[in-house]
Amino acid sequence: NAGVTQTPKFRVLKTGQSMTLLCAQDMNHEYMYWYRQDPGMGLRLIHYSVGEGTTAKGEVPDGYNVSRLKKQNFLLGLESAAPSQTSVYFCASSNNKQGAQGNQPQHFGDGTRLSIL
Amino acid sequence: SQELEQSPQSLIVQEGKNLTINCTSSKTLYGLYWYKQKYGEGLIFLMMLQKGGEEKSHEKITAKLDEKKQQSSLHITASQPSHAGIYLCGADKAAGNKLTFGGGTRVLVKP
Repeated sequence: NAGVTQTPKFRVLKTGQSMTLLCAQDMNHEYMYWYRQDPGMGLRLIHYSVGEGTTAKGEVPDGYNVSRLKKQNFLLGLESAAPSQTSVYFCASSNNKQGAQGNQPQHFGDGTRLSIL
Repeated sequence: SQELEQSPQSLIVQEGKNLTINCTSSKTLYGLYWYKQKYGEGLIFLMMLQKGGEEKSHEKITAKLDEKKQQSSLHITASQPSHAGIYLCGADKAAGNKLTFGGGTRVLVKP
């Protein structure tokens, strides 16, 4: 049971470099999310997707881009990394059901620790 | 956007003692989720509450949502070292499942 898998687990970048974080889920979930976690600020939503081929902005989208070309994958890109993007990034997925059953809990990956020098 | 306030920010309890964590919102919540996080790891889902007055339990952990759906508590009975970690509450205001998280409560259980 892999669940949600994030790669890489750790990365150090120099300011201005670009990189892509990969998130893969094997639960056939429709919804996928990218969060960042910073000390004292909890988790903040960067971007999310409600289905293959769709993306939407979250609370802190600036400096990031995302793509959902396949249902099981959600990519987070940093075009020009900045020290302010040093953080732990979490991917999550969920399968919401409409109507009386309401929302379903999100399942999280183990995170990617990213340092920008 | 709604804000979620968690209290306390951290606490240290003696093994075997009970502890309670609170999560408060200024707005009515559609759903309230409790997660646990160990250092260097992802979030583990604990419980979801959606109805006013709802209460759920799993092993020694009980979560409650008040009638107004603005405050939730997480209670651990007879704490063990395995209960140590960071507890986060997350909430959404409507269907669509975009969660807002509280700042987390760091729990340390002393043997």
